[in-house]
Amino acid sequence: DGGITQSPKYLFRKEGQNVTLSCEQNLNHDAMYWYRQDPGQGLRLIYYSQIVNDFQKGDIAEGYSVSREKKESFPLTVTSAQKNPTTFYLCASSIRQGPYGYTFGSGTRLTVV
Amino acid sequence: AQTVTQSQPEMSVQEAETVTLSCTYDTSESDYYLFWYKQPPSRQMILVIRQEAYKQQNATENRFSVNFQKAAKSFSLKISDSQLGDAAMYFCAYRSANFYSGGGADGLTFGKGTHLIIQP
Repeated sequence: DGGITQSPKYLFRKEGQNVTLSCEQNLNHDAMYWYRQDPGQGLRLIYYSQIVNDFQKGDIAEGYSVSREKKESFPLTVTSAQKNPTTFYLCASSIRQGPYGYTFGSGTRLTVV
Repeated sequence: AQTVTQSQPEMSVQEAETVTLSCTYDTSESDYYLFWYKQPPSRQMILVIRQEAYKQQNATENRFSVNFQKAAKSFSLKISDSQLGDAAMYFCAYRSANFYSGGGADGLTFGKGTHLIIQP
């Protein structure tokens, strides 16, 4: 079945460490996105990528980095510069053009310990 | 930049009744797409319904329908015959149609959500 997979489901990070969240899709979608979801804030866009080897900052990119070396994969690195990393992260993918919604992964819960 | 506002943090409805969730948005664009997503306790985001701004006809999907008022920038979701499985967070979202013609940025812009409670 086609879909989008995020791993791990739960992740713990020590203060000062970088950590990478995985996102893989087999839907042949060109566009991929990372969101964070905080209580009462809805979903806010961190980074997105329309094509391989290209990505754009979203509304809250500070403290995060991404790469897009393959169409299927869009990993997100949460760096030690991210002041409030403890939250829920959602990855999504979409067809580039047209009135299409996004397909979402099941999310990763990151906790700083 | 576009903004999406959901003014009802929480709504409650009796099972089998009808409920309407409100959403307004602010944009200077004429071509865009609007969506309603459902997020149950599992936190999996599920697309409920979508509307293309150039279409005057309101979208419907089984028990779910929208009231799209382009001039008023309003996009409400009506759930008929509410069921216990409808209990979830509901998010309204906006996507520009202009990104690929060189305008603006991509990415869905979400409202803060409405928590829908179904009373048995």
